[in-house]
Amino acid sequence: AQKVTQAQTEISVVEKEDVTLDCVYETRDTTYYLFWYKQPPSGELVFLIRRNSFDEQNEISGRYSWNFQKSTSSFNFTITASQVVDSAVYFCALSEASNQGGKLIFGQGTELSVKP
Amino acid sequence: EAQVTQNPRYLITVTGKKLTVTCSQNMNHEYMSWYRQDPGLGLRQIYYSMNVEVTDKGDVPEGYKVSRKEKRNFPLILESPSPNQTSLYFCASSLSWSGEQFFGPGTRLTVL
Repeated sequence: AQKVTQAQTEISVVEKEDVTLDCVYETRDTTYYLFWYKQPPSGELVFLIRRNSFDEQNEISGRYSWNFQKSTSSFNFTITASQVVDSAVYFCALSEASNQGGKLIFGQGTELSVKP
Repeated sequence: EAQVTQNPRYLITVTGKKLTVTCSQNMNHEYMSWYRQDPGLGLRQIYYSMNVEVTDKGDVPEGYKVSRKEKRNFPLILESPSPNQTSLYFCASSLSWSGEQFFGPGTRLTVL
């Protein structure tokens, strides 16, 4: 069955440290999409990235980078030189082609706290 | 402005009193979903819809109903709310099954 696991419930770092948020997924589909969303203390959910199962290239966007490894079913998210504004809950999510009705599975979330 | 709106944003009610949370999107998206967010459990999908009159159950549909009579609207109905439905609810829409979800601002529901 499809599943997304974010084993780190809470992470606390000091500003300027690098931090990696782990995401491990389970699926039987060969075609699927993975997502990361950010939920800052204000509560809204903000889309960060989408990656399809056929594209294993790592992606970098400013201080953010994502490492997708199908061999280990992982889609990890790294923040370089963290800032206080990065403090938020981060969710990893999975959408499968066999569920083209729009079923989306979220992980439990990782709460990141960046201290000055 | 492209957006998903939800109303009300906050609601306190009592057990058994029927309520509806409205959701509307102005992006002409085919797909819409409802999620609930609870501490330690992340976001769990309640119901989703891939088009008008087409809906399906997510992971936690018990105690909820939905309808999709128009493309832009996807209301969530609690016929007889119970305290275990106290939660933060999000509506979302997307262009396709693989597209990014656009989320509403959330509705915080308390059932006493």
